[in-house]
Amino acid sequence: SAVISQKPSRDICQRGTSLTIQCQVDSQVTMMFWYRQQPGQSLTLIATANQGSEATYESGFVIDKFPISRPNLTFSTLTVSNMSPEDSSIYLCSVISGASYNEQFFGPGTRLTVL
Amino acid sequence: DQQVKQNSPSLSVQEGRISILNCDYTNSMFDYFLWYKKYPAEGPTFLISISSIKDKNEDGRFTVFLNKSAKHLSLHIVPSQPGDSAVYFCAAYRVPSGTYKYIFGTGTRLKVLA
Repeated sequence: SAVISQKPSRDICQRGTSLTIQCQVDSQVTMMFWYRQQPGQSLTLIATANQGSEATYESGFVIDKFPISRPNLTFSTLTVSNMSPEDSSIYLCSVISGASYNEQFFGPGTRLTVL
Repeated sequence: DQQVKQNSPSLSVQEGRISILNCDYTNSMFDYFLWYKKYPAEGPTFLISISSIKDKNEDGRFTVFLNKSAKHLSLHIVPSQPGDSAVYFCAAYRVPSGTYKYIFGTGTRLKVLA
């Protein structure tokens, strides 16, 4: 399976600031996704990162709050904008590679705390 | 509306015994199901999956059973090992949708006692 890295692994941020999270894959992948796991909750899909075009957002998530870029087939960024304490979560990227279209593989996650 | 439910937040099992983790779903359109394991400070790791055309899939110590009429799946780990201690998530999605949108359960924390 693809090797996925995320930066930063964790951060503590002040209310009102923005943080950009990077996701790097060691091989070209078909699809990339961004998830959020709030404390004690399940994983929730934020959006599908589309290469060369705007991301596809799930209900409840908007581009102004979570802008996403995917300039190529191995890299994507998620920005959490104008942060509030409610944004404190683990943010994860996941990918589907060519081997199987049904299994997603996840990065290690970015633990964000907003004060 | 929680479409995928894991009603047991935690489970403790003695080493060497069987661990059974349960998952229920409400959407009959789901046709592909997965189990992931998550250690602290790591991302979820794919364990095993099953298509709705099957009722059982086995991979080493891990077996997933699917009961479509009951909208229920379970993960059996035999024998359980201390290294299996982690949070287990089930996930479901609808393949024909083409969206690859997984719906996750809330997870069950498994503790295997040595």
